[in-house]
Amino acid sequence: SQQGEEDPQALSIQEGENATMNCSYKTSINNLQWYRQNSGRGLVHLILIRSNEREKHSGRLRVTLDTSKKSSSLLITASRAADTASYFCATATDTGRRALTFGSGTRLQVQP
Amino acid sequence: NAGVTQTPKFQVLKTGQSMTLQCAQDMNHEYMSWYRQDPGMGLRLIHYSVGAGITDQGEVPNGYNVSRSTTEDFPLRLLSAAPSQTSVYFCASSVTTDGYYGYTFGSGTRLTVV
Repeated sequence: SQQGEEDPQALSIQEGENATMNCSYKTSINNLQWYRQNSGRGLVHLILIRSNEREKHSGRLRVTLDTSKKSSSLLITASRAADTASYFCATATDTGRRALTFGSGTRLQVQP
Repeated sequence: NAGVTQTPKFQVLKTGQSMTLQCAQDMNHEYMSWYRQDPGMGLRLIHYSVGAGITDQGEVPNGYNVSRSTTEDFPLRLLSAAPSQTSVYFCASSVTTDGYYGYTFGSGTRLTVV
């Protein structure tokens, strides 16, 4: 079952523009994480936001979390062609089990 | 640091064959897991381990076995390959920092069952 669902499924923007991806989930979480996957590669951890946090920044990344709406967003500012990848949100509901449940991802294409 | 190493990178199997996908990490992470990724979908958890000698089932465990005899290694065995197991398999490991954790992924094994 998919805990997180990303929206949109695909996004195409020009270099320099901002890219926003959204993630909705169904159950209470301990934390939510975002990952990037370049074509044919493994996933790379980008950022983790805890359930008691509302916003977090890392370089050009900004993540928000609204636990009342069970949703999160990932904003990439001043996008670059190298940001072209698929982006996945993943939720952790139990720190003991430590299993992450991934959404189906957003494919981002940044046009040079 | 090599991180998480998966072998092989590509494999073609015939229906009914068995094989083992290897996963090794050199970061002394206690937690390791196996996911499969199918086209247009996210990752689904197959099996995971919270430490040597301890394994448990994930969301889609049928047709797969795992063992964890050492902290470093977490092999995934396909008992009798089926076309439905055609997928890309990812191994991941993590360690808890301040009660929270991010995963480190291997580069994947692309498996085709014919």
